[in-house]
Amino acid sequence: DIQMTQSPSSLSASVGDRVTITCRASQNIDIFLNWYRQKQGRAPQLLIYSVSSLQSGAPSRFTGRGSGTEFTLTISSLQPEDFATYFCQQSYMMPLTFGGGTTVEMK
Amino acid sequence: EVQLVESGGGLVRPGGSLRLSCAASGFTVNGNYMSWVRQAPGKGLDWVSIIRNGDSTNYADSVKGRFTISRDSSKNMVYLQMNSLRDDDTAIYYCARVGSRRGNLYFAYWGQGSRVTVSS
Repeated sequence: DIQMTQSPSSLSASVGDRVTITCRASQNIDIFLNWYRQKQGRAPQLLIYSVSSLQSGAPSRFTGRGSGTEFTLTISSLQPEDFATYFCQQSYMMPLTFGGGTTVEMK
Repeated sequence: EVQLVESGGGLVRPGGSLRLSCAASGFTVNGNYMSWVRQAPGKGLDWVSIIRNGDSTNYADSVKGRFTISRDSSKNMVYLQMNSLRDDDTAIYYCARVGSRRGNLYFAYWGQGSRVTVSS
């Protein structure tokens, strides 16, 4: 199975901060990488698919980059609704696997 | 508007069975890949199963042989039959519509989840 490792596992930030989360795959996954945001007590929401394509309705402050084994999700200016947990997910190979999550907390 | 509504969760004893249902609206399940993803209490996301066009299926190793995904096009529903349930199957189970772009599969829409608790 392809292991997805996110870092950091948590971070503290303030509204308006620029935040970057990293996701590393245990092998090359090309551009088969997606990002989700999960607010407390809610279902996850797709933010970014295929590394850098913004899902319809997702805010433009979210940017995804990377290829191969290393990927990043950047929030350009953190908003109150962005205090949440973020997950990456690969679909290069079955089984589909997720990273362990990165929780963005209020400083 | 795309909507997914799960039902059928509850408390079940180890070794028991449960069937989750997912009612879809705003699109047809027959023309889409559909999937189940679960989340144990306080944990991350864990993919469970997928059903593709043509009804081919895949399962996580942890549920293979115990869970079965299916769909009913006439009712626009997706199901997850769960047998031989174990304590570690306790989780919120989400139904998701799967999107695809050049082979990349992603969970484009999610239901609100159905809670399953396996306990004696």
